[in-house]
Amino acid sequence: AQSVTQLDSQVPVFEEAPVELRCNYSSSVSVYLFWYVQYPNQGLQLLLKYLSGSTLVKGINGFEAEFNKSQTSFHLRKPSVHISDTAEYFCAVSDEGNQFYFGTGTSLTVIP
Amino acid sequence: GAVVSQHPSWVICKSGTSVKIECRSLDFQATTMFWYRQFPKQSLMLMATSNEGSKATYEQGVEKDKFLINHASLTLSTLTVTSAHPEDSSFYICSAIREGATQYFGPGTRLTVL
Repeated sequence: AQSVTQLDSQVPVFEEAPVELRCNYSSSVSVYLFWYVQYPNQGLQLLLKYLSGSTLVKGINGFEAEFNKSQTSFHLRKPSVHISDTAEYFCAVSDEGNQFYFGTGTSLTVIP
Repeated sequence: GAVVSQHPSWVICKSGTSVKIECRSLDFQATTMFWYRQFPKQSLMLMATSNEGSKATYEQGVEKDKFLINHASLTLSTLTVTSAHPEDSSFYICSAIREGATQYFGPGTRLTVL
């Protein structure tokens, strides 16, 4: 079975500073990896995904993530955050059977 | 990108009534849709997998008779909360699978049971 761990439940960061949101997973099979963002009272929006190919994935809003198979990680990064990036971020892993497993989420707060 | 809609976005009902929530894939056909429940400041909890033309697969602990799921077409799945009670109040989110094994989520439906 797969599982996802988001190590930080809350991450405060000053505006224009870089940020990294950590995600580790466990799986015995090949996986697909995703990051989603959720703004208050809204559904989840896909930020980026890794299915295959290049391990460095670029997504929307200036975010990127790197798939590290040896460390079973898929950390999300942004070099300079904006106030509008304040939201809840979820890491997810999917196996080849399309079953999704979500992390518990990381609340990113950008401080002006 | 793929668009998934939900209707209604917010519903308030009296205890004991039933509420139907619709989930539609607007620009693609989805043989598989998922229904999630989310409590405040928590992650998504998968309730069931909805398969077009067949019975839904429910997760352990989810009452089938309480949360009725119907996937009548390739673009529509419905979740009916029967005899709703205040403890059913929550944020319900659906999603649909498109190519590349990617889930696209609806905007969610907030259910408040008085």
